[in-house]
Amino acid sequence: DSGVTQTPKHLITATGQRVTLRCSPRSGDLSVYWYQQSLDQGLQFLIHYYNGEERAKGNILERFSAQQFPDLHSELNLSSLELGDSALYFCASDGGRPPYNEQFFGPGTRLTVL
Amino acid sequence: AQSVTQLDSHVSVSEGTPVLLRCNYSSSYSPSLFWYVQHPNKGLQLLLKYTSAATLVKGINGFEAEFKKSETSFHLTKPSAHMSDAAEYFCVVRSSNFGNEKLTFGTGTRLTIIP
Repeated sequence: DSGVTQTPKHLITATGQRVTLRCSPRSGDLSVYWYQQSLDQGLQFLIHYYNGEERAKGNILERFSAQQFPDLHSELNLSSLELGDSALYFCASDGGRPPYNEQFFGPGTRLTVL
Repeated sequence: AQSVTQLDSHVSVSEGTPVLLRCNYSSSYSPSLFWYVQHPNKGLQLLLKYTSAATLVKGINGFEAEFKKSETSFHLTKPSAHMSDAAEYFCVVRSSNFGNEKLTFGTGTRLTIIP
């Protein structure tokens, strides 16, 4: 158990809908990272938040947004969903300060868009 | 910029024989390197990490990796494969550059163990 929690584990929805994925980092970690794992794109970095502020963006679509709240949990919002958004979404956390060692991953949310 | 190339998408070995999963990296800054494992329908688990200390790194479950700067390689090895090692393995690079702390994943190597 990494100490990172994600809810829900599974999400099934229809095209055009909007969903919210939630992540709670390990106790004491200030950074949250979101990654998408799909068959065609592999594991890709989406976005990084540090202590409530956006620090870096990766290959995140404009239809997707995220935020980190004062209690440090984070939410990833996916809107106008398309079939191609079906994927496993991971969040990870770390202390957010050097040295930059490993990130600790949650169990993931599997999103299926029908 | 940073990138990782996993040289084999699939590797099959017999139980009890050595495992070698190959990885080459590229990084503009002093990199940290990791191997993560993903069992079917599971999350990502850290196997081992290199963070500029010893170049030969020992991880969990008998896995090792050697950082070779001259060859920009970080190959993963295990002397004797076990059935429970069947999984997807990811080589991962992370720069030490502020604002670029994300992990960059290789495309993965699927390890199959033949009984």
